[in-house]
Amino acid sequence: DQQVKQNSPSLSVQEGRISILNCDYTNSMFDYFLWYKKYPAEGPTFLISISSIKDKNEDGRFTVFLNKSAKHLSLHIVPSQPGDSAVYFCAASVVGDDKIIFGKGTRLHILP
Amino acid sequence: DAGVIQSPRHEVTEMGQEVTLRCKPISGHDYLFWYRQTMMRGLELLIYFNNNVPIDDSGMPEDRFSAKMPNASFSTLKIQPSEPRDSAVYFCASSLTQLNTEAFFGQGTRLTVV
Repeated sequence: DQQVKQNSPSLSVQEGRISILNCDYTNSMFDYFLWYKKYPAEGPTFLISISSIKDKNEDGRFTVFLNKSAKHLSLHIVPSQPGDSAVYFCAASVVGDDKIIFGKGTRLHILP
Repeated sequence: DAGVIQSPRHEVTEMGQEVTLRCKPISGHDYLFWYRQTMMRGLELLIYFNNNVPIDDSGMPEDRFSAKMPNASFSTLKIQPSEPRDSAVYFCASSLTQLNTEAFFGQGTRLTVV
């Protein structure tokens, strides 16, 4: 059973608009969440993270929002740029358990 | 540091053959993870090591899969015998000791079993 769920396999967004990628989780013990970005033929690279004690973390064009009661987090990219076209993985971990659990990923297409 | 280094980048083998994937983690990292990426299941954690000791191998799909970490700078993932359904991209990642730090991934090994 998937503990981290990304229900949208793909998303297309116009360049300059906001991209919103969603992620749901089932394990209430998760207390640290990460987003990774992956280009073809490369390994995933870390993008941004958030601790469960926060509900928002911002880094330039990227903002992650966490709604603990809904067990939901989202990644906002604004404005979207062509280089943002990639697969985005949501991931989560639990304090004391060092493994990181990933979702299936969402492929983001930025349209010109 | 050159990052996490995996070899080979691509591997094509016949069903029934033994396959060995290799990984060199980032120097100083205490954790090493092996992941498998498929279309159906996304990124699955297979096994991870802490200070060269296997901690959790619950993600290893079958006894045909085994992993070792003989020292802090080298790990292998072996599949014997290989089957077509093992075809996937296998990633190795490493991270520092501190909890809740991000993992750094290698470029992956694309395995095709025919």
